[in-house]
Amino acid sequence: AQSVTQLDSQVPVFEEAPVELRCNYSSSVSVYLFWYVQYPNQGLQLLLKYTTGATLVKGINGFEAEFNKSQTSFHLRKPSVHISDTAEYFCAVSSGGYQKVTFGIGTKLQVIP
Amino acid sequence: ETGVTQTPRHLVMGMTNKKSLKCEQHLGHNAMYWYKQSAKKPLELMFVYSLEERVENNSVPSRFSPECPNSSHLFLHLHTLQPEDSALYLCASSQDRASGSSYEQYFGPGTRLTVT
Repeated sequence: AQSVTQLDSQVPVFEEAPVELRCNYSSSVSVYLFWYVQYPNQGLQLLLKYTTGATLVKGINGFEAEFNKSQTSFHLRKPSVHISDTAEYFCAVSSGGYQKVTFGIGTKLQVIP
Repeated sequence: ETGVTQTPRHLVMGMTNKKSLKCEQHLGHNAMYWYKQSAKKPLELMFVYSLEERVENNSVPSRFSPECPNSSHLFLHLHTLQPEDSALYLCASSQDRASGSSYEQYFGPGTRLTVT
């Protein structure tokens, strides 16, 4: 079985400050990992993904994430946030030769002017 | 149209009504999904279709009935719903495993359903 834990339900951060959104996963086999963003009244949009190879993955809108196998983590980071980054962010995992993707409960990022 | 589209965007229905949600993908994918998104809950996978065959049904009540006539279209037929079924219903598509995909899913904007 696979699972995802997003440790923070809400993260307030001032504009132009750095941010890290935490994600830990559980799986007995190799994984694919994803971060999605959801803006109000919209569907989920893929920010970035890890499949194989380099553990530091860069995505859209200046976000990046680092896959850490020993800590089973895939934290999302951005060095300087903008007001437009205010949204909900979902971590997700797919593993075990099965196309089902398991999503975390989401982290609401609130960027304060 | 590009990506994944869903209609209607908003739907209000009574408990005795019958309605359908429609999803269309323009990405050439061969797997499609229905999710339910409720406040303060993880995204709930309802149905998965791969190559137009249902491969997963996560114990969804029979008042929700999916239909996948071809790889580009997915429907969710609704009847005799309950107020707790009010939620955002999201459709997604992806390539299936046989294509060597990493299974990232592409989502539509959702249908906001309110059951009165």
